Amino acid sequence: AQSVSQHNHHVILSEAASLELGCNYSYGGTVNLFWYVQYPGQHLQLLLKYFSGDPLVKGIKGFEAEFIKSKFSFNLRKPSVQWSDTAEYFCAVRGNNRLAFGKGNQVVVIP
Amino acid sequence: GAVVSQHPSWVICKSGTSVKIECRSLDFQATTMFWYRQFPKQSLMLMATSNEGSKATYEQGVEKDKFLINHASLTLSTLTVTSAHPEDSSFYICSASRGRQNTEAFFGQGTRLTVV
Repeated sequence: AQSVSQHNHHVILSEAASLELGCNYSYGGTVNLFWYVQYPGQHLQLLLKYFSGDPLVKGIKGFEAEFIKSKFSFNLRKPSVQWSDTAEYFCAVRGNNRLAFGKGNQVVVIP
Repeated sequence: GAVVSQHPSWVICKSGTSVKIECRSLDFQATTMFWYRQFPKQSLMLMATSNEGSKATYEQGVEKDKFLINHASLTLSTLTVTSAHPEDSSFYICSASRGRQNTEAFFGQGTRLTVV
């Protein structure tokens, strides 16, 4: 079964700073990769997804992620964050019909 | 996007009783549904994966007799917590997907279960 690793659980940064969140997974088969965001008191929302094709994926709200197969990674990036990006971010990997989540990154953006 | 509705959103029950949580895909047919448990300030722990018309696949360490999952139709899956105890108190979340691969999973709003 696949496992998903996210590091640096708590991230604090100022507005306009760049954000990068790491995600690594362990699974040798075909995977679908996702980043979800959870704003306080709200459902999980999909930021972006990768199924196949161009490994650089652009999502909503200026987020992008790059799938590097050789590194089993799918890191999330945003060049310039805003206060409204304060949320919890989860990486998820679907393989063998399981959808497993990483532990999440709590991101706080200071105005 | 597609809508997944979970009911109830909040339930309190007495220790020893059973509680059923429903997960419905409102505007699409969900071949696969996932059930998660989320502890405070922690991630989503996958409990089981259910495919319509077949038995659910439980994760290691999840008691299938305690957490009964039924996925009898393409729009409804239920999770029944049997003989609930205070340690079962948690936030339970379902998600639904149109297919087994190359499809997005959509999430319900979750159910807060408190066992007293």
